[in-house]
Amino acid sequence: DAEITQSPRHKITETGRQVTLACHQTWNHNNMFWYRQDLGHGLRLIHYSYGVQDTNKGEVSDGYSVSRSNTEDLPLTLESAASSQTSVYFCASSEGLAPYTQYFGPGTRLTVL
Amino acid sequence: AQSVTQLGSHVSVSEGALVLLRCNYSSSVPPYLFWYVQYPNQGLQLLLKYTTGATLVKGINGFEAEFKKSETSFHLTKPSAHMSDAAEYFCAVSDGGYQKVTFGIGTKLQVIP
Repeated sequence: DAEITQSPRHKITETGRQVTLACHQTWNHNNMFWYRQDLGHGLRLIHYSYGVQDTNKGEVSDGYSVSRSNTEDLPLTLESAASSQTSVYFCASSEGLAPYTQYFGPGTRLTVL
Repeated sequence: AQSVTQLGSHVSVSEGALVLLRCNYSSSVPPYLFWYVQYPNQGLQLLLKYTTGATLVKGINGFEAEFKKSETSFHLTKPSAHMSDAAEYFCAVSDGGYQKVTFGIGTKLQVIP
């Protein structure tokens, strides 16, 4: 069965370190998304991609970057981790056809000390 | 721009009682509407979606939602709550223009035995 996997599932890091969260999907979807989930804010879009070599900023992109070198993977990098980036991160993918239903990974819980 | 408002961040119902979770949307074009469920420490799972056609949509686990254009609403209901329904529920809208989905802040459902 097709799925989205995220790794690691839990990560503890220190302020200032670079961190990369992995996302891999076997749906063969063109579109991929990164969200963060925080109490009181729901899901907020960080970055998204419509295909290989395409990346776009979402509503909370400062301090994050992504790259898309193939269809299956969209790694999220925190250039210099900050305590404000402590959160649960979700990766999702969707087809490039309406209604653009999104399918989610299990999430990565990141703690920045 | 599209947006979603979920009324009530926390809802409590007794086991066996009606579940009603409210969602209102804003979209400049006919929308695609979704409800997702998130169980503790898991990713979001699609519960149901409205695209076109029949306005009453049936989903998994006995949930259904009705699209009411005149009220710009897409409320989620279930006739009889089970303990296993305790989770967080997210309403979402896509207008198809940018292939993205906008999520509400979520409603946490508590089921009281």
